[in-house]
Amino acid sequence: AQRVTQPEKLLSVFKGAPVELKCNYSYSGSPELFWYVQYSRQRLQLLLRHISRESIKGFTADLNKGETSFHLKKPFAQEEDSAMYYCALRNNAGNMLTFGGGTRLMVKP
Amino acid sequence: NAGVTQTPKFRVLKTGQSMTLLCAQDMNHEYMYWYRQDPGMGLRLIHYSVGEGTTAKGEVPDGYNVSRLKKQNFLLGLESAAPSQTSVYFCASSYQGISGANVLTFGAGSRLTVL
Repeated sequence: AQRVTQPEKLLSVFKGAPVELKCNYSYSGSPELFWYVQYSRQRLQLLLRHISRESIKGFTADLNKGETSFHLKKPFAQEEDSAMYYCALRNNAGNMLTFGGGTRLMVKP
Repeated sequence: NAGVTQTPKFRVLKTGQSMTLLCAQDMNHEYMYWYRQDPGMGLRLIHYSVGEGTTAKGEVPDGYNVSRLKKQNFLLGLESAAPSQTSVYFCASSYQGISGANVLTFGAGSRLTVL
């Protein structure tokens, strides 16, 4: 069975500090991973996906198959980054996403 | 363009009552999903549908039923509500299966409290 683990429920940093939100997964197939974000009073939305190898709002995430991780990183956190972040793993059939428990990021001024 | 619309946004039920949550999407998406969001547990898939007239069980289907009579609508029903079903429910849709550019579009959520 596939599983996504986000070990930190809450991560609090100061503005300008580096941020790393951890995500580990277990999956027997070829993984496809995503980060979704939910800002206060907004809908859950896609932040980035590993196959695009993109940087969105300064965030990047690299898939490490050896460590089965997909950590989300940003070198300098901003207050507007405060939100709930979810890591998600797609199944082989592509008909469902398994989400981690989420990490709430708080960026203090 | 409304995207994914959920109704109602809030509802309080007594144990044993029944209710239906409606999800409507205007993007001509084939796939639709119902998730529940609970603190510390993230989003868990209840049921999903890969097309009109089809439904399938997700991770936590017990106590819920769904129907997809029309492509644009996906209904989630609770026949006999229990306090354990107190949660925030999210509907989502995708054009096809989740891959590459086909990602989930979420509704705003429906907060359900069962007393």
